[in-house]
Amino acid sequence: AQSVSQHNHHVILSEAASLELGCNYSYGGTVNLFWYVQYPGQHLQLLLKYFSGDPLVKGIKGFEAEFIKSKFSFNLRKPSVQWSDTAEYFCAVNWGGGNTPLVFGKGTRLSVIA
Amino acid sequence: NAGVTQTPKFQVLKTGQSMTLQCAQDMNHNSMYWYRQDPGMGLRLIYYSASEGTTDKGEVPNGYNVSRLNKREFSLRLESAAPSQTSVYFCASHRFSGANVLTFGAGSRLTVL
Repeated sequence: AQSVSQHNHHVILSEAASLELGCNYSYGGTVNLFWYVQYPGQHLQLLLKYFSGDPLVKGIKGFEAEFIKSKFSFNLRKPSVQWSDTAEYFCAVNWGGGNTPLVFGKGTRLSVIA
Repeated sequence: NAGVTQTPKFQVLKTGQSMTLQCAQDMNHNSMYWYRQDPGMGLRLIYYSASEGTTDKGEVPNGYNVSRLNKREFSLRLESAAPSQTSVYFCASHRFSGANVLTFGAGSRLTVL
């Protein structure tokens, strides 16, 4: 079955530290890739997405992600985190672009401390 | 424009009771989804409806039924609730099936005692 793996369950960083959250997906051909964020007590919101083109995509709030096809990866990065980035981050993949729903990873909880 | 509206926001049930979670979207979206979110498990797809009149099972459909009542509404029913169904349930939608951006509802927190 197609699957999405997020390597880190919980990451704790100090403000201004750099962030990289890993995401790998199982092989399955053409993919569309997403990162969603869930702030405490809120519903999921789209952070960024990749469908095609430049493999380095930029999202909201200074986040970016790089699609590396050979590694089946779509890692999320931010050069300098803020306390307000404390949230849970979910990687999600859609295979084929057809009638296949998104498959989500298990999520990474990010805690940013002052 | 309300987006995706879920009701109720909170519910406590006893084992064996039944209930229906309601979801409605006002964005003229074709596809609708029900996910459940559990700690350390991420979001898992229960059922989805790629278009009005169709429904399909997701990863964890056992113990649930769905109805796509019309283009706007997609309900999730628990016929005989079990403690394992304690979870936060999210409804989501998007315009076309497949690669498109999901809009999520605020979630429904269900506790089964």
